[in-house]
Amino acid sequence: EPEVTQTPSHQVTQMGQEVILRCVPISNHLYFYWYRQILGQKVEFLVSFYNNEISEKSEIFDDQFSVERPDGSNFTLKIRSTKLEDSAMYFCASGRSGYEQYFGPGTRLTVT
Amino acid sequence: GENVEQHPSTLSVQEGDSAVIKCTYSDSASNYFPWYKQELGKGPQLIIDIRSNVGEKKDQRIAVTLNKTAKHFSLHITETQPEDSAVYFCAARRGQGGSEKLVFGKGTKLTVNP
Repeated sequence: EPEVTQTPSHQVTQMGQEVILRCVPISNHLYFYWYRQILGQKVEFLVSFYNNEISEKSEIFDDQFSVERPDGSNFTLKIRSTKLEDSAMYFCASGRSGYEQYFGPGTRLTVT
Repeated sequence: GENVEQHPSTLSVQEGDSAVIKCTYSDSASNYFPWYKQELGKGPQLIIDIRSNVGEKKDQRIAVTLNKTAKHFSLHITETQPEDSAVYFCAARRGQGGSEKLVFGKGTKLTVNP
């Protein structure tokens, strides 16, 4: 059964550094999402992406964040200058119809 | 915006018993309600979902019910097994043309004791 994959599983970075989190969505899916989960809190929506552009973003997704689909398979989330409060589990998800969303295993980002 | 509340936060049952997790939502425009299971070290796994044009959906031992008037929906797991132990999340989203984002509840940690 096809799955969403994410790399790396764990990323440690220093405050102010740039990080890129990578995702390979399920191959015939058209809708792509990033969510994050700070330890002990709810899963929160960051951004959705369809037809090569952002379709919606939350207030968390400020100018420090960007997403890209550089080729036909990868979907990336970049954080330009990480802050301590960016430490969280980041989940990529994809879907075929805009309803069902299938999540990857996540990348744990630790900012020191 | 949408707010989803989930209860209980923890639930412990004996193997073979049923488990029920309840969620309420605030946005009457929401019409899609998925449930996710998250095992330790893994991402949320979609286990069942329901749209607002039906009141109940069943898949083997799991079922979801929806009451649109009261704005609540529930997950029912029957004949629980130890492998059902996980954190379960409910979520809600608006209909097509509205926001695509899923708004999640805080999760319920289910423990099934052998």
